[in-house]
Amino acid sequence: DQQVKQNSPSLSVQEGRISILNCDYTNSMFDYFLWYKKYPAEGPTFLISISSIKDKNEDGRFTVFLNKSAKHLSLHIVPSQPGDSAVYFCAVLQTGANNLFFGTGTRLTVIP
Amino acid sequence: EPEVTQTPSHQVTQMGQEVILRCVPISNHLYFYWYRQILGQKVEFLVSFYNNEISEKSEIFDDQFSVERPDGSNFTLKIRSTKLEDSAMYFCASSGDRVGNQPQHFGDGTRLSIL
Repeated sequence: DQQVKQNSPSLSVQEGRISILNCDYTNSMFDYFLWYKKYPAEGPTFLISISSIKDKNEDGRFTVFLNKSAKHLSLHIVPSQPGDSAVYFCAVLQTGANNLFFGTGTRLTVIP
Repeated sequence: EPEVTQTPSHQVTQMGQEVILRCVPISNHLYFYWYRQILGQKVEFLVSFYNNEISEKSEIFDDQFSVERPDGSNFTLKIRSTKLEDSAMYFCASSGDRVGNQPQHFGDGTRLSIL
């Protein structure tokens, strides 16, 4: 099952710089996209979402961009903080469904 | 902030035994879910539950699995005759509305180890 891919298993960024996490999907029926953050021994925590009718959604330091033609979404964190160090999952929702497909995750390390 | 709580945090069970994983969703939520994550793999959807019945389930959720909301607060996942490959983190989630309107909130998971 490769419907949702996060090709970078890890990313290291200096504190204060921008973190860009990427996610690609294959199914054009996906119409709602979410990012979750996960710390060790905890469940995924919802960060931000975007519907397919938008190409950008911003919430504080977090911005999600959606490029439907490329079937690509990204999460920008700026400025990055050490507390942002976690595994980030993109998740997608298919039209008419109510269950999420998750990517494999990207481990972000923000270096102080 | 309201949380989804799961018990136990770690469950060790002999292969072939039955196990029940427990979840208390956020109190005013109406939609309930189970996901699992096998070590090193992605989080996978198992089942969703709404209005006291299963609304969606994945191929993983076969006859070995069942869910129940026995009272107004708990949501359980039962695995009958456990197999080694059932070893995983099991996450419960809940939402106040369908995902496109409200996101799913996850518990911290139960680590299930089958020996």
